[in-house]
Amino acid sequence: NAGVTQTPKFQVLKTGQSMTLQCAQDMNHNSMYWYRQDPGMGLRLIYYSASEGTTDKGEVPNGYNVSRLNKREFSLRLESAAPSQTSVYFCASSEAIGSYSNQPQHFGDGTRLSIL
Amino acid sequence: ILNVEQSPQSLHVQEGDSTNFTCSFPSSNFYALHWYRWETAKSPEALFVMTLNGDEKKKGRISATLNTKEGYSYLYIKGSQPEDSATYLCAFIVQGAQKLVFGQGTRLTINP
Repeated sequence: NAGVTQTPKFQVLKTGQSMTLQCAQDMNHNSMYWYRQDPGMGLRLIYYSASEGTTDKGEVPNGYNVSRLNKREFSLRLESAAPSQTSVYFCASSEAIGSYSNQPQHFGDGTRLSIL
Repeated sequence: ILNVEQSPQSLHVQEGDSTNFTCSFPSSNFYALHWYRWETAKSPEALFVMTLNGDEKKKGRISATLNTKEGYSYLYIKGSQPEDSATYLCAFIVQGAQKLVFGQGTRLTINP
């Protein structure tokens, strides 16, 4: 059972470089999420996709873009990386959250990103 | 701005002791409350999803209660073991929303 798969697991970038973090889930979930985790800050939502074809901003969207490529895949792009984006990034998915489901979120193993 | 508060931020407990910690959330328009366990260098794993006032859920030595009218949930661990060392996150969602709001977590360390 793969669950939620994130790639890469680690990445070092220079300021100004761009990169895309990939996320795929094999549970046929409708909703997908990108979080960042910083010391003392807990999990902060960057963007989410409640269903295929929709994306919405979360708490900290600045400097990021997302693409819900299909139902399985939800990518996060840093167009011009900044040191403040050094963090651990988690992708998550759920059957649905809110009016239609009480199901928990399933998380990937995280991507540790360092911006020099 | 919806806010979730967890207390304490960190906790050290002797192996074999029982412990509990709190998650506080806005009580209006409540829909569901989630608890996750997050071990170091791993990803968060769901423990419970609770929706009804007075709900009580149990998984092994871990249990949780929910009071939606006053806006709090307790997580209890009975007879703590070293493998219980982790950060415990709660998150809640209001009616009609499509995303969780997470607390900052309670970091639990079990001393052998």
